[in-house]
Amino acid sequence: AQSVTQLDSHVSVSEGTPVLLRCNYSSSYSPSLFWYVQHPNKGLQLLLKYTSAATLVKGINGFEAEFKKSETSFHLTKPSAHMSDAAEYFCVVSDTPPGGTASKLTFGTGTRLQVTL
Amino acid sequence: DAGVIQSPRHEVTEMGQEVTLRCKPISGHNSLFWYRQTMMRGLELLIYFNNNVPIDDSGMPEDRFSAKMPNASFSTLKIQPSEPRDSAVYFCASSWGTGMLGYTFGSGTRLTVV
Repeated sequence: AQSVTQLDSHVSVSEGTPVLLRCNYSSSYSPSLFWYVQHPNKGLQLLLKYTSAATLVKGINGFEAEFKKSETSFHLTKPSAHMSDAAEYFCVVSDTPPGGTASKLTFGTGTRLQVTL
Repeated sequence: DAGVIQSPRHEVTEMGQEVTLRCKPISGHNSLFWYRQTMMRGLELLIYFNNNVPIDDSGMPEDRFSAKMPNASFSTLKIQPSEPRDSAVYFCASSWGTGMLGYTFGSGTRLTVV
């Protein structure tokens, strides 16, 4: 079974300050982990993904995330927030059992990032 | 590539009517997923297909919901009869293989049942 917990439903930062969105996961196999972003009234866009390669993953728009197996965490960070980063962010886990076909994604409940001047 | 294409973008219908949502996955992708998003429940997986075959439909709310994938380039999600509680944004996503490299989502269909 797989699950993901986003520890904060809402995060507010000032423009130019660092962003930290927290995510913990559980999985039965070696998981793939993703962060997706959803801007208001828009679809979901893939920010970055971890698929058992480098543990520090760089994504689009200056975001990055670090996979820490010992802590079962995959926190999303950005050194300096921009107004355009205001959106809903989803941490996602995907398990593929050995010999499995398609994996289904399990979404966290989302973290709404607010960026203020 | 045009990405995952969903239609219609918005649908308003009366309770009891049949609603059909459509999805065209990315060419070459062999897995297709239907998700529903509401404020109360967040994103829920309804059903997914691999090579046009339904693999897991345990998320389909009830018999009023049905999904088909007659070929690799087209899928439908049908609700009959529709109810106000079905109001939500429905997303289609596609991927190649096991989806380890991520999924591509469509822009969604916003369904309102009055």
